[in-house]
Amino acid sequence: GAVVSQHPSWVICKSGTSVKIECRSLDFQATTMFWYRQFPKQSLMLMATSNEGSKATYEQGVEKDKFLINHASLTLSTLTVTSAHPEDSSFYICSARPASAGVPYNEQFFGPGTRLTVL
Amino acid sequence: GENVEQHPSTLSVQEGDSAVIKCTYSDSASNYFPWYKQELGKRPQLIIDIRSNVGEKKDQRIAVTLNKTAKHFSLHITETQPEDSAVYFCAGSRGAGNKLTFGGGTRVLVKP
Repeated sequence: GAVVSQHPSWVICKSGTSVKIECRSLDFQATTMFWYRQFPKQSLMLMATSNEGSKATYEQGVEKDKFLINHASLTLSTLTVTSAHPEDSSFYICSARPASAGVPYNEQFFGPGTRLTVL
Repeated sequence: GENVEQHPSTLSVQEGDSAVIKCTYSDSASNYFPWYKQELGKRPQLIIDIRSNVGEKKDQRIAVTLNKTAKHFSLHITETQPEDSAVYFCAGSRGAGNKLTFGGGTRVLVKP
C-alpha cells in the first residue's frame, strides 16, 4: 500500500510553454501533498504545501503565479509550471500524507518524480 | 524556519567498513528526523527515522542517534556493501506528516 504516482515521468518542452505535472495517491486519500524541486546534485527543496480544497502554501522565494498548484480531490494534486524557462529544468517530486491525520506520527510517501527539461 | 546542515558532502569507504553521516538542525520544535537513500533519478527511499522521544534506533546494519540538547543526529551504516552506494539525505520536521527540511546530502561510495 501507500503508493504515489506522478505523471509524466519526464517531459521536454519549449521555453514559454506551460507544463502540468500530476501527483496521485493510488491506494489512500491524501489531504496534504507536498511539492519538492531538486536540481542536479542538490538537495530536495520544498516548494509548496498543497491542501485539498484550499489554497496552497508556498515557501519563501517560490512564485505562486508561476507554479500553480491545484489539489481538487483527496487523491490528486497538480503542479503547473507556467511560461517555463530553462532555469525551471529540474526534478519535481511530490509526497502525499494520508488523510487519517489524527495520529501524531503519520507518514508521507514520495512519488517517483518528474524530470522537466525546458529547451 | 528549520535549517538542516549535513556533513560530509561526499564519503568514500572500503567495503566492510562503517560510514557515519552527521546532521544538525536549528528548530527546537522539530521532532521527527528521517533518513533517505536516493539513487540517481529515483525517489527518496526512507531507510530509517527517529522521533525526538528516542535517543537511538537500529535496524540491522543501520542505526541513527539523536542528541536533542545539541540538536544533532547521525546515521551509522556498518559493514558497508557496494549496494549502499547512493546519496543519503537527512531531514527534519515537526511531525512525520509535515513538511520536511532536507540536509544537503552525502554522496556515499563504497569501494569493493
